[in-house]
Amino acid sequence: SAVISQKPSRDICQRGTSLTIQCQVDSQVTMMFWYRQQPGQSLTLIATANQGSEATYESGFVIDKFPISRPNLTFSTLTVSNMSPEDSSIYLCSVERGTGNTIYFGEGSWLTVV
Amino acid sequence: EDKVVQSPLSLVVHEGDTVTLNCSYEVTNFRSLLWYKQEKKAPTFLFMLTSSGIEKKSGRLSSILDKKELSSILNITATQTGDSAIYLCAVRAGSYQLTFGKGTKLSVIP
Repeated sequence: SAVISQKPSRDICQRGTSLTIQCQVDSQVTMMFWYRQQPGQSLTLIATANQGSEATYESGFVIDKFPISRPNLTFSTLTVSNMSPEDSSIYLCSVERGTGNTIYFGEGSWLTVV
Repeated sequence: EDKVVQSPLSLVVHEGDTVTLNCSYEVTNFRSLLWYKQEKKAPTFLFMLTSSGIEKKSGRLSSILDKKELSSILNITATQTGDSAIYLCAVRAGSYQLTFGKGTKLSVIP
């Protein structure tokens, strides 16, 4: 398995502000993924972050809104910019690890935008 | 577009019952199917099924992949209140993309 820590665990944010979520993994990984889970919905991939290159964003997600950093093989950040209430979600960091390249998830960051 | 459909969306059972959760999929270049348990925020990995590993079991939980029917089931026997959670099915196609179903919310009442 993998130990994946996220900060903050939970936050209440004001509309129009930005918040950066941190993800720390217990060992080096090539690919890190950021997902969003809106209330009552399933998980949607935002982007894939590889160390040393620009993140790859999925359809419907753009770098200006969700800038991502990947400074090394154990750490990544996701910023949610210019937040609106529609950004209220759980944001999850995940990594690929182990036999068959299983995907493991971090503890999640629950953001509420007011 | 890849699609994963889970049923039922919610289920209420009594402790000790056996439940079967369903997952069907339509994806291009299927690689694997994964089951997760989500209690609060983070999905916890349960099983991964592939063409070379179509049946997995761990304690009271078991899962089978039917590649012909493009589906999978997750069985939980002798359910306990601690099994109450949302169970997510996800299918991996291509290089890394995971497509998730909407989940089945299981409630186990004493």
